[in-house]
Amino acid sequence: GAGVSQSPRYKVAKRGQDVALRCDPISGHVSLFWYQQALGQGPEFLTYFQNEAQLDKSGLPSDRFFAERPEGSVSTLKIQRTQQEDSAVYLCASSRVAGDNYEQYFGPGTRLTVT
Amino acid sequence: AQTVTQSQPEMSVQEAETVTLSCTYDTSESDYYLFWYKQPPSRQMILVIRQEAYKQQNATENRFSVNFQKAAKSFSLKISDSQLGDAAMYFCAYRSGTSYGKLTFGQGTILTVHP
Repeated sequence: GAGVSQSPRYKVAKRGQDVALRCDPISGHVSLFWYQQALGQGPEFLTYFQNEAQLDKSGLPSDRFFAERPEGSVSTLKIQRTQQEDSAVYLCASSRVAGDNYEQYFGPGTRLTVT
Repeated sequence: AQTVTQSQPEMSVQEAETVTLSCTYDTSESDYYLFWYKQPPSRQMILVIRQEAYKQQNATENRFSVNFQKAAKSFSLKISDSQLGDAAMYFCAYRSGTSYGKLTFGQGTILTVHP
């Protein structure tokens, strides 16, 4: 595709609801990253996929957060039993090759508001 | 763990003037990459400029240049001939040379350009 796309762009969830955020990376990109960006802050790493393998999930803040990329393309970040502190913009990024100095292309993000 | 610090929450510049954004980082590694990203209000993060730590020469991309001081662990961004379209949040980011590409971001600097 032309770029990384994410859906929905905005999501409002009541506390305790489950949400699923989708990322469509650039076609053929091997690496996929999820970041969480709190209001007025820099993005913070959540998890990394190389193709369908989740190689690093050290940034996931709790076991309520779960990510998958079953076919090595589209990825979904799921948050169970949302809490107010989960309110943030969730950014997805992809790059062509793993472990190399290739640019990460970012999507527009999904703004999650938990009420 | 690596940390990235941007000590200027906000900066402003007059159109056509020059502005410098500051960034410092902390690492014990010798192989790494540094980046400046721009995030306009639409939230799509865009790579502005990249510097490899092993290169002594400062990177330049058109009106954007960096001052990379490896010993001081400083990586500032200079924007020359500022344009209204340069207004955005700017993030400094670090990537280990031995990792798959995970980025560590600073807190960001909001740049305002006055006509």
